Parts: sequence; structure tokens; C-alpha cells
Amino acid sequence: EIVMTQFPATLSVSPGERATLSCRASQSVTSNLAWYQQRPGQAPRLLIYGASTRATGIPARFSGSGSGTEFTLTISTLQSEDFAVYYCQQYNKWPTFGQGTKVEIK
Amino acid sequence: QLQVQESGPGLVKPSETLSLTCIVSGGSISSYTYYWGWIRQPPGKGLEYIGTIYYSGTTYYNPSLKSRVSISVDTSKNQFSLHLSSVTAADTAVYYCAVNTAATGPNDAFDIWGQGTMVTVSS
Repeated sequence: EIVMTQFPATLSVSPGERATLSCRASQSVTSNLAWYQQRPGQAPRLLIYGASTRATGIPARFSGSGSGTEFTLTISTLQSEDFAVYYCQQYNKWPTFGQGTKVEIK
Repeated sequence: QLQVQESGPGLVKPSETLSLTCIVSGGSISSYTYYWGWIRQPPGKGLEYIGTIYYSGTTYYNPSLKSRVSISVDTSKNQFSLHLSSVTAADTAVYYCAVNTAATGPNDAFDIWGQGTMVTVSS
């Protein structure tokens, strides 16, 4: 099993600021990495796949980078609707998810 | 557009089998480009992959659940189903069905999700 570790567990950010979330894989997943956003009471929404490609309809303020074992999701200018939990998921082998990073209002 | 929606009982007794159905609308479950999956999320916790099925019936399971999981597809009803046997309280979770429309194979991101259904295991 490929273990995905996300950090920090909680990120306190003010609206309008930049948020940087990290995800590490226990072995290389090449670029087979996705990011999801989950708002309270909602299903996850795909933001990024292939480590850096935005999914359909995702605003340009969301960007992904990395390959191998180290990945980053950046939200350039946080909007009120961006405060949520974010999960990374590898799909190089059978899919596994990180434990999530909660982005909260500072 | 393509949508999926979970249905099934919200309460299951310990040791029994949890059965859920995912109803597909706006597209065909027989499409060669789609892989259909199940993911669950215990209350207050993260996401856990359960398994994936292709319209042909080929299945791919999380090894840790493989001995108890069965996923099947019903092309005549445009739906697919999850069966999880010998459930315990640890199987209490929100269960999501989801779709991978990338046509690259069973291991990919899920770009369409149902709203989820809460299943509680309790006597």
C-alpha cells in the first residue's frame, strides 16, 4: 500500500492570502496524483489530476505541482468558499488517500 | 451530464451484508470510457477506496477489504452495486459512488461523485 501523508493537518489562513498544502507519498507515484476539495456535508470535488492539471471548471487560483513523492497544492488568493478540507490521492497503484488538510479562517 | 446517486438502507446489523446501489443517469454504464467506483468515509475521518468495476464486469478491490467486498454491474438497469459482508461498527461511514471518466484504466482520479449515503452498523 502506498501511504500518503499530508501536512500540515490544519492551515490557518486569512482571506486573500496564499495557501500551500503538501502531500508526500511513501514511494514514487510519478505524476499519478490528484487533489480534492471537500466542504462540510458535501462530496469531494476533483480539483487537480496528473499532479498539475486543473479539472474542468476549477478556477485558476488552484495549482498543483510536484512529481515522484513530493507534491504541493497552492491556492493563490483564498476566497471564502475555499475554506474546506483538501485530500491528495495517488493512483499509481490502487488508490489511496492522504488524511486531509483543513484550511480554516485565521 | 453524467450523474451518479447512491441508494440503500441507512442501518445494517453487525455480521450482516451491507448492500448499496449506484444509479447512473445522463450516460451509459456500458461506456468503454468509464470506470465506476466506491469510496467510503467514516464520520470525521478521511477517504478510503473500496473498489472499481468496468462495464464488462472486471473488478479491482482494495486488498484490505477484498475478502468481504463484491461490486457488480447491471447494464439493463444502468446501475452498479456494492456488497460488503460481515460488517462491524468499523464499517459505519458515508459511502460514495464515483466515476473515473478518463478512460486510462481503473487507477485514476474520480471526477464525478454522488452525494453520498450514510450507513450505520448497529444492532
